[in-house]
Amino acid sequence: EAGVTQSPTHLIKTRGQQATLRCSPISGHTSVYWYQQALGLGLQFLLWYDEGEERNRGNFPPRFSGRQFPNYSSELNVNALELEDSALYLCASSLVTGRRPQHFGDGTRLSIL
Amino acid sequence: QQPVQSPQAVILREGEDAVINCSSSKALYSVHWYRQKHGEAPVFLMILLKGGEQKGHEKISASFNEKKQQSSLYLTASQLSYSGTYFCGTISMDSNYQLIWGAGTKLIIKP
Repeated sequence: EAGVTQSPTHLIKTRGQQATLRCSPISGHTSVYWYQQALGLGLQFLLWYDEGEERNRGNFPPRFSGRQFPNYSSELNVNALELEDSALYLCASSLVTGRRPQHFGDGTRLSIL
Repeated sequence: QQPVQSPQAVILREGEDAVINCSSSKALYSVHWYRQKHGEAPVFLMILLKGGEQKGHEKISASFNEKKQQSSLYLTASQLSYSGTYFCGTISMDSNYQLIWGAGTKLIIKP
């Protein structure tokens, strides 16, 4: 069974540009979660999508947005990039239940120059 | 509300035991434990459900005290491979299955 896949692995942008990150969940998982992890820090919750709908979003500005497609894959868009957006962006998928784990992809390392 | 993990960091010698705690102020439905090695994605360890279940995985086990809303992760006879940052995540009874993450506990195992 294929795990969660994220693309690209690395992304280098300059300030003010826009970035698009992609995530394919494990087959059968309907929920996709996005997290931001700055170097050496914890997991900051960004967005949660389930069945194509946004279920919840973390304390991030509106320039962080995303969507979930009918095949449950998802993309995260970050507009007007700022230096502090440099981080590892992790995607996880799960079934919507408190009894099932989230499975993480390897992440996209976004660097803003 | 974010669960509180303690300690923030711990350094052990190989073969020693460690306990990592995760406390919440909310009534919990489940507690999830993950380990993240440097430069890698978090990896699922185990889930504990309301009911005081204790689960184990080789020399790593965990308990869930429902009355205290606290979970503890036990690492017995630690190995070098146990090094990493351990995160707990909690789902409270009044949430819509939203997992809230603790800040993490950094575990360093020395030979």
